[in-house]
Amino acid sequence: GAVVSQHPSRVICKSGTSVKIECRSLDFQATTMFWYRQFPKQSLMLMATSNEGSKATYEQGVEKDKFLINHASLTLSTLTVTSAHPEDSSFYICSARDFGQRNSPLHFGNGTRLTVT
Amino acid sequence: RKEVEQDPGPFNVPEGATVAFNCTYSNSASQSFFWYRQDCRKEPKLLMSVYSSGNEDGRFTAQLNRASQYISLLIRDSKLSDSATYLCVVLLYNTDKLIFGTGTRLQVFP
Repeated sequence: GAVVSQHPSRVICKSGTSVKIECRSLDFQATTMFWYRQFPKQSLMLMATSNEGSKATYEQGVEKDKFLINHASLTLSTLTVTSAHPEDSSFYICSARDFGQRNSPLHFGNGTRLTVT
Repeated sequence: RKEVEQDPGPFNVPEGATVAFNCTYSNSASQSFFWYRQDCRKEPKLLMSVYSSGNEDGRFTAQLNRASQYISLLIRDSKLSDSATYLCVVLLYNTDKLIFGTGTRLQVFP
């Protein structure tokens, strides 16, 4: 079945640094990928929709200059958390659907646990 | 009102019990429905899609009621390994946007 790979799975960084998270679709092409964030004991919140070949679409309240998204190819999207601060510490998850299959469910990467010290 | 609502639980049930979760959605343009399972500190994993006629996968049965705008998940013969958070997910028609419920926590005890 469809598989989404996310890297790194865990990162600890100092305040003020930038962190890049990669998301790859392994056996299907994903013109669209989704980035979610989940704080402890809360639901997944969609941050942005990454579109191959065009600008990402950000959800209300998500700073596009802080969370840079690049969808360089049909199988790769990256999220860069710029100038990270402790409040950015969270679980970031990417996901993608195989749009070649009608009503295909969303497949998730294994997530990136970011800790900003 | 939240777009997708679930009882957060927790539901504490003994092994072998049958447990049911409901989920209501507010947007009538909802097209597709899924149940995901999320273990602590892990990514969600697809448990099953929910079809209009209802569907079963082993001990799990999912049902959809479009008129009342709710879906349900029934787990029979609960196992310890079923302990997790179950997420109700709705895909809106003509968009790629999935809406997540906050999840229902299930704890199965020996």
